[in-house]
Amino acid sequence: AQSVSQHNHHVILSEAASLELGCNYSYGGTVNLFWYVQYPGQHLQLLLKYFSGDPLVKGIKGFEAEFIKSKFSFNLRKPSVQWSDTAEYFCAVNSDYKLSFGAGTTVTVRA
Amino acid sequence: DVKVTQSSRYLVKRTGEKVFLECVQDMDHENMFWYRQDPGLGLRLIYFSYDVKMKEKGDIPEGYSVSREKKERFSLILESASTNQTSMYLCASSLFHRGMGNQPQHFGDGTRLSIL
Repeated sequence: AQSVSQHNHHVILSEAASLELGCNYSYGGTVNLFWYVQYPGQHLQLLLKYFSGDPLVKGIKGFEAEFIKSKFSFNLRKPSVQWSDTAEYFCAVNSDYKLSFGAGTTVTVRA
Repeated sequence: DVKVTQSSRYLVKRTGEKVFLECVQDMDHENMFWYRQDPGLGLRLIYFSYDVKMKEKGDIPEGYSVSREKKERFSLILESASTNQTSMYLCASSLFHRGMGNQPQHFGDGTRLSIL
């Protein structure tokens, strides 16, 4: 079964700091990769996705992620966070019909 | 915009009861999914369906069943609720695109289920 690891359980940082969240997966075949975000009290929303092509993917709200196939990684980055980026972030990997999620990283941005 | 609607935001039931969680999507998506979300564990797939009357077990199907009689509706059933099934339950749907495979999933707001 697919396994997805997110390196950090909880990240606390100040506004304008840079953010990088790590994600590694186990499956060696063709995968589709996603980052989802869940703001407090809201449903899960798609932040960005990678299906093929350019391994550097840009998403909404200034987020980007880089797919490194040799490292089985799909790390999420944002150069300068805002207070409104406080949320839980989930990495997910799709193989066949199934989407496997990491345990999630809670990001708290202090004003 | 895709809308995935779960019938209840909060639900409280008693041990041993049969519990039904309903989910409806309005975008004619082929695929539908049920997850539970627990702190520190992320989302775990319970069951999914890629067509009407079709169902597949996910990673944690024990104690659950599902029903998909119509394309837009996917029901999760707790046959005999137990306290360890207290959780947040999320429904999702996605489109299958020929040539590109399964598209991103769209999620409902979730049902917070408490079993007493």
